[in-house]
Amino acid sequence: LAKTTQPISMDSYEGQEVNITCSHNNIATNDYITWYQQFPSQGPRFIIQGYKTKVTNEVASLFIPADRKSSTLSLPRVSLSDTAVYYCLVGDLRNYGQNFVFGPGTRLSVLP
Amino acid sequence: KAGVTQTPRYLIKTRGQQVTLSCSPISGHRSVSWYQQTPGQGLQFLFEYFSETQRNKGNFPGRFSGRQFSNSRSEMNVSTLELGDSALYLCASSLEREQFFGPGTRLTVL
Repeated sequence: LAKTTQPISMDSYEGQEVNITCSHNNIATNDYITWYQQFPSQGPRFIIQGYKTKVTNEVASLFIPADRKSSTLSLPRVSLSDTAVYYCLVGDLRNYGQNFVFGPGTRLSVLP
Repeated sequence: KAGVTQTPRYLIKTRGQQVTLSCSPISGHRSVSWYQQTPGQGLQFLFEYFSETQRNKGNFPGRFSGRQFSNSRSEMNVSTLELGDSALYLCASSLEREQFFGPGTRLTVL
C-alpha cells in the first residue's frame, strides 16, 4: 500500500483558491488517487479521483504529475462550509486483498 | 440512488455488553468495509466483506466481528464492550474504484 503524506493543517480565507498536496512516492502502477472530505461526526465524502494528468468536477480539480509521486487537490474559491478534514488515499479498490489506510488528513480552516 | 445507510445512528451501551451495528450498501455494491474512527487513532480499517466473505481484515481483536448477507447488507458485532470502543463506526460500500461512506453509528460505552 502506498503511504501518503499531507500537511496536518492549512488556513485560508473565503474566496481564495486552496491547494492541498499529497506525497505518495510508492504509488503502484494500478493505484488511483482519491480525495475525501469529512465534517465532524459524519462519514467521509468522496470528492474526486484520478490516475494521471488532470481531473476536474463540479467541486474540485486534481492535478497529478507525470511521475504520479504526488497529487494536488485544488478547491476554487473556498467558503466557510469547506472547513473540514481532507484525506488523500492511494490504492486500487479492484484488487482483492486491498484495503485503504487513512492518514491523519489535512485540517482546512476557512476564515471569513 | 440511495446512499449507504447505517442503523442505529446513536447507541449507548455499558462495559461488558455486546452491540450489533447494521449497514445497507448502495444498490449494486457488493463490497462493504467497516472503519472505526476515534479522536486519538483517526480512521482505522476493521474489515471488508465481498460476496458474503471476509476479504480483508485490519488489526483489531477478535471481539470485533462482522458478516455479510446475500443481499450485501452487513452487520458488525462487538462483544464484551470496553470504554475504548467508544467511537464513530463507519461503513463504506464500493463498486469498481469508488468507495462511498455512510453517516456512521456513534457508539458510546459507559
